[in-house]
Amino acid sequence: NAGVTQTPKFQVLKTGQSMTLQCAQDMNHEYMSWYRQDPGMGLRLIHYSVGAGITDQGEVPNGYNVSRSTTEDFPLRLLSAAPSQTSVYFCASRRTAQETQYFGPGTRLLVL
Amino acid sequence: RKEVEQDPGPFNVPEGATVAFNCTYSNSASQSFFWYRQDCRKEPKLLMSVYSSGNEDGRFTAQLNRASQYISLLIRDSKLSDSATYLCVVNRFFGNEKLTFGTGTRLTIIP
Repeated sequence: NAGVTQTPKFQVLKTGQSMTLQCAQDMNHEYMSWYRQDPGMGLRLIHYSVGAGITDQGEVPNGYNVSRSTTEDFPLRLLSAAPSQTSVYFCASRRTAQETQYFGPGTRLLVL
Repeated sequence: RKEVEQDPGPFNVPEGATVAFNCTYSNSASQSFFWYRQDCRKEPKLLMSVYSSGNEDGRFTAQLNRASQYISLLIRDSKLSDSATYLCVVNRFFGNEKLTFGTGTRLTIIP
């Protein structure tokens, strides 16, 4: 199993550009989540999904969209990048709500 | 008050020493607890779950105190490879999941 994979590893955007961060898992996990990690802030939940076709907002959803058309994939879309979205983004998955999460390797995003 | 609070450190500890971290949580409805380890510029990885009765995994011991709403992590005979940031994670359920991460405690083991 590859576990949780994320692409790209690094990305530089200009303010106003849009992009999609890809996340995929091959563990047949129902739960998938997107977090951002900023210094001194800890991991903050952006959006999450409890199964294909079901998504919900987390703590900091503004400026981001998600969709879950398959169990395996959970892309995160930045609609119009802003410097405040400069961060490290982690995708995570788990089998049930009570179980631990497995994280992808992260995407480092710089918005100029 | 933050939902999950940790001392950010850094803790600089000589190799072979014992070190302990605490983490406090504010919501008494929290139901499950974890310690994660995060190496520099890497993703968080599960170190251990924390059970009410306390649990041990080799040199690592985790404890939960529901009355005082804190969890702890004890590392014995510390190794250089234990240098990392340790994240406290608290989970509660109100129809949907709510997993909250602490900001982490940075540990450096000194040769």
